[in-house]
Amino acid sequence: QVQLQQSGPGLVKPSQTLSLTCAISGDSVSSNSVFWSWIRQSPSRGLEWLGRTYYRSKWYNDYAVSVKSQITISPDTSNNQFSLHLNSVTPEDTAVYYCAGSTDHLRYWGQGILVTVSS
Amino acid sequence: DIVMTQSPDSLAVSLGERATINCKASQSVLHTSNNKNYLTWFQQKPGQPPKLLIYWASTRASGVPDRFSGSGSGTDFTLTISSLQAEDVALYYCQQHYSTPYSFGQGTKLEIK
Repeated sequence: QVQLQQSGPGLVKPSQTLSLTCAISGDSVSSNSVFWSWIRQSPSRGLEWLGRTYYRSKWYNDYAVSVKSQITISPDTSNNQFSLHLNSVTPEDTAVYYCAGSTDHLRYWGQGILVTVSS
Repeated sequence: DIVMTQSPDSLAVSLGERATINCKASQSVLHTSNNKNYLTWFQQKPGQPPKLLIYWASTRASGVPDRFSGSGSGTDFTLTISSLQAEDVALYYCQQHYSTPYSFGQGTKLEIK
């Protein structure tokens, strides 16, 4: 049974970097069959897929165009986790952030963290 | 990018009655290589992450009651709850994983009439 545990700050100041981590149990971040994604949810944008990282003999990333200039998703094989970094945040980046794992469909979800961007 | 549009935005149904939610994709999400529709339905309750209900458009996830069913192919899909129970009050989302960026419908709020 795969479980995802998210951690990170709930408050970030405008123009700073939002950083969250998703710890994986029950599978490996280096799995050759799983995609590891970040998704956010806000009243204004609904559910928005931000991007993913995955390993297929080497590491790959895909990012949504809407955040491509801001986002980095990176694996941490030593700790079996992956991270989201979103730089230059504004109040519009306020949302509940979820990590998720999928083979095809988004089967596994973290608990979600509300991140507020405010001074 | 594929745009997912759900209808209606909200729905009130009496207990024991049928609830139907529609989802339309702006382009086909049917992979002809394996004849599978890359369409998923989620249920979300307040304070919780989305819960996987239906995948491949019509396959119930483990533990999902059989009153939930999915149908459709290509661009048009339906989630049906055959006999509404009180615990089914929630938001429902469709989502495509045919291509990145993955995209979700705007959600349908299901309530008891």
